[in-house]
Amino acid sequence: GEDVEQSLFLSVREGDSSVINCTYTDSSSTYLYWYKQEPGAGLQLLTYIFSNMDMKQDQRLTVLLNKKDKHLSLRIADTQTGDSAIYFCAESYGTASKLTFGTGTRLQVTL
Amino acid sequence: DAGITQSPRYKITETGRQVTLMCHQTWSHSYMFWYRQDLGHGLRLIYYSAAADITDKGEVPDGYVVSRSKTENFPLTLESATRSQTSVYFCASSDPPNQPNGELFFGEGSRLTVL
Repeated sequence: GEDVEQSLFLSVREGDSSVINCTYTDSSSTYLYWYKQEPGAGLQLLTYIFSNMDMKQDQRLTVLLNKKDKHLSLRIADTQTGDSAIYFCAESYGTASKLTFGTGTRLQVTL
Repeated sequence: DAGITQSPRYKITETGRQVTLMCHQTWSHSYMFWYRQDLGHGLRLIYYSAAADITDKGEVPDGYVVSRSKTENFPLTLESATRSQTSVYFCASSDPPNQPNGELFFGEGSRLTVL
């Protein structure tokens, strides 16, 4: 599959904004996703963006997509301790919901 | 309760043994997937299935076997376990006709240790 890259770790203070970045290589991706994994659990879809969009906002979450640079970011406003988790970006291509996941970014929220 | 369940949640085995990880979903989703999660690699697709009796290889299928005789079950078998197969395994399902965004629904994972 195509490579999807993320930084491994991010630490922010409670109340600050977090920005998690992702680069992907498949320009034909249909959807791009952010999944959240809490300790000891499976992944849950946090948000997604269709490839013809530049931005999507959903409450505290803002997703930015730069197709030219193949760059996806997730901004979490007013980060809370409950946001501490691993965040995976993913892209889908073709059919069958086959997703390629990034390596995951562990977000640590400190008081 | 409806959902996707995996068993066992934790398994320790020895090199060379056969191990089967079970996955059951109650949504009647057509697609099911097996991923493995390893530090530094994220999630990698092992096998997937589009429907009963239809399976296909993913990115890292070597050493694994799957079957899908019923829509709701998708077992993953390690025929002769190796230490490199120590990992956390996630089963997932999706329902493309009703969820065109391709969302995957994940089980809680099965942590396998091969000694």
